[in-house]
Amino acid sequence: SAVISQKPSRDICQRGTSLTIQCQVDSQVTMMFWYRQQPGQSLTLIATANQGSEATYESGFVIDKFPISRPNLTFSTLTVSNMSPEDSSIYLCSVARDRGSYGYTFGSGTRLTVV
Amino acid sequence: DQQVKQNSPSLSVQEGRISILNCDYTNSMFDYFLWYKKYPAEGPTFLISISSIKDKNEDGRFTVFLNKSAKHLSLHIVPSQPGDSAVYFCAVPTQGGKLIFGQGTELSVKP
Repeated sequence: SAVISQKPSRDICQRGTSLTIQCQVDSQVTMMFWYRQQPGQSLTLIATANQGSEATYESGFVIDKFPISRPNLTFSTLTVSNMSPEDSSIYLCSVARDRGSYGYTFGSGTRLTVV
Repeated sequence: DQQVKQNSPSLSVQEGRISILNCDYTNSMFDYFLWYKKYPAEGPTFLISISSIKDKNEDGRFTVFLNKSAKHLSLHIVPSQPGDSAVYFCAVPTQGGKLIFGQGTELSVKP
């Protein structure tokens, strides 16, 4: 199955600033997914990143707040823009484990604290 | 509206005993179910899955049971070990690859 390198692993940021999170996969994948886990809550999909096209955002998430880049089939970035304390969460990227599998591999996550 | 629910936020079990984690869902059209395990400071790790055409799937110490009439699935861990202490999520894949997660159950296995 794919191996994902995600960074940074954690960061503490000032409100009003932006943070870009990177995910590097060791194999080519068609779709990459970005999730958020707010404190004490479940994982929620932010958007699906497809190479060569704009990301598809879930209800409640907008491109201006969470711009995503997908320059090739092994890399993606998620930016959390104009941060507020409510953005303090764990952010995770994910890819399908292998073709036809319903299991997905996740990065180790980025723990973001906004102060 | 929560389509996948884990109503127990935490569970404490003695080492060697059985751990039973429960999950309920609302959509009878779901055709595959997944369990993930998550340690602190790590991403979720795929554990076991079950297709809706089955009622049981076993992998070593882990068994998942599916009761479609009750829209309920459970994960059994036997025997439980301290290393199993983690947060367990049930999840359902949907069209397009999106996973819908339950709220998670934090399992604590006491030595």
